Amino acid sequence: GDSVTQMEGPVTLSEEAFLTINCTYTATGYPSLFWYVQYPGEGLQLLLKATKADDKGSNKGFEATYRKETTSFHLEKGSVQVSDSAVYFCALNSGYSTLTFGKGTMLLVSP
Amino acid sequence: DVKVTQSSRYLVKRTGEKVFLECVQDMDHENMFWYRQDPGLGLRLIYFSYDVKMKEKGDIPEGYSVSREKKERFSLILESASTNQTSMYLCASNRDVSNQPQHFGDGTRLSIL
Repeated sequence: GDSVTQMEGPVTLSEEAFLTINCTYTATGYPSLFWYVQYPGEGLQLLLKATKADDKGSNKGFEATYRKETTSFHLEKGSVQVSDSAVYFCALNSGYSTLTFGKGTMLLVSP
Repeated sequence: DVKVTQSSRYLVKRTGEKVFLECVQDMDHENMFWYRQDPGLGLRLIYFSYDVKMKEKGDIPEGYSVSREKKERFSLILESASTNQTSMYLCASNRDVSNQPQHFGDGTRLSIL
């Protein structure tokens, strides 16, 4: 079946540092890939998505590229802010209604 | 923007009570979902519905039921609440089109005493 593996957290960074959160997946067919963000006390918000190989999703300074050859969708940001502190979830959709989520990676950014 | 609204942000109930969690979406989405979120376990799908009066079990349906009488509303029911159902519950919806993202509500933090 489908699965998503994310790096375990927490990831602790200083403000303006470079961020990478790794995500790899196993899926049948050609899934769409998503990153969601969850701020403390809130639900999940869609951060970015990519629907086919080599697509780059981007939003709010975050980027992720759909790499079919390495089955990866790593999240990156060049300069993190304290306000980016949250839990980040990688997810995939193989064409059915349901999503398969990773377990989430907590990011803590200090001033 | 899609709006998914969960009726309560925080709820405290007692063991054995019947508990209703309500979710409403305003974008005419066909699909609706209920998840629970627990530390170290991520999101786990309880039930989903792809149409009015239709439902499918997710990964952890035991102890729960659902109701979808209208397209915009999806209810999660804890038939007899137990302490191990203390959790954050998240509702989501999406269109019944291939590869669509899900849109989430803000969650209900449920405590069973």
